[in-house]
Amino acid sequence: EPEVTQTPSHQVTQMGQEVILRCVPISNHLYFYWYRQILGQKVEFLVSFYNNEISEKSEIFDDQFSVERPDGSNFTLKIRSTKLEDSAMYFCASSEARGGLPNTEAFFGQGTRLTVV
Amino acid sequence: AQKITQTQPGMFVQEKEAVTLDCTYDTSDPSYGLFWYKQPSSGEMIFLIYQGSYDQQNATEGRYSLNFQKARKSANLVISASQLGDSAMYFCAMREKTGANNLFFGTGTRLTVIP
Repeated sequence: EPEVTQTPSHQVTQMGQEVILRCVPISNHLYFYWYRQILGQKVEFLVSFYNNEISEKSEIFDDQFSVERPDGSNFTLKIRSTKLEDSAMYFCASSEARGGLPNTEAFFGQGTRLTVV
Repeated sequence: AQKITQTQPGMFVQEKEAVTLDCTYDTSDPSYGLFWYKQPSSGEMIFLIYQGSYDQQNATEGRYSLNFQKARKSANLVISASQLGDSAMYFCAMREKTGANNLFFGTGTRLTVIP
C-alpha cells in the first residue's frame, strides 16, 4: 500500500542550526503539506504546496521556514536558525485533491521528531 | 472561534464495548469534509474515516462509524467492539472546500481500552 515516508525519524540539532526534513509523498498525489505537533498539543497546519508553489501557509510559517520539491519525488521542509520552541513532531502529508470532497483525505507520514537543544 | 472542538480530553472503555468520541465543528462553507485520525503512542497519524458534508448516509469503515448530525454540526466517531489496540489519541479534523486547503484539527481525545 502506498505511503508517505519521512526521514529522518528523529533529528537532534543545536539551537541556531539549520535542519532539512525530508518527505516522499504518495506518487499520484498532487497536494503536499507540512504540519507540526508540539508535544501534547494539537496538530497545526504549516503550509500546503501544489504545482511547485506554496498554495497556503499559516502564520506559523514565517521566513524561518521554506519548502521545496527539488525533484519529482522529494518534498522538503527547511528550518533556518532553529529555536528551542521549534522542537516538535513534524508531519508531512499528501492528498489527491483539495477541498472537502471525497479523495481529499490527507495521508500522513510517520513524522520526524525534531529536538532543538 | 475554534473550527473543531473535542470536549473529551480522555475516555475509557471496556474491551469489546462501543465508545463514542465527540466532535463539533464550525464553518460557514456549505461544502466541507470531516476526518478522523488515530495517533498511537508511536506518533504516526492514521486516517480512519471521512464524511462529506453532502453525504446522505453516515460513513462507516469496519468498526468505525461516524454519527454525522449536520444541523448540530457534530461528527462523532463511534468505535464498536473496542480492542486493546484502539488505545490511542483520536483527532477530529475538517477541511473546507473553499478557502485554505488545510486540515483544522481538534485537540484530540485520548482513548484507553481497559481489558
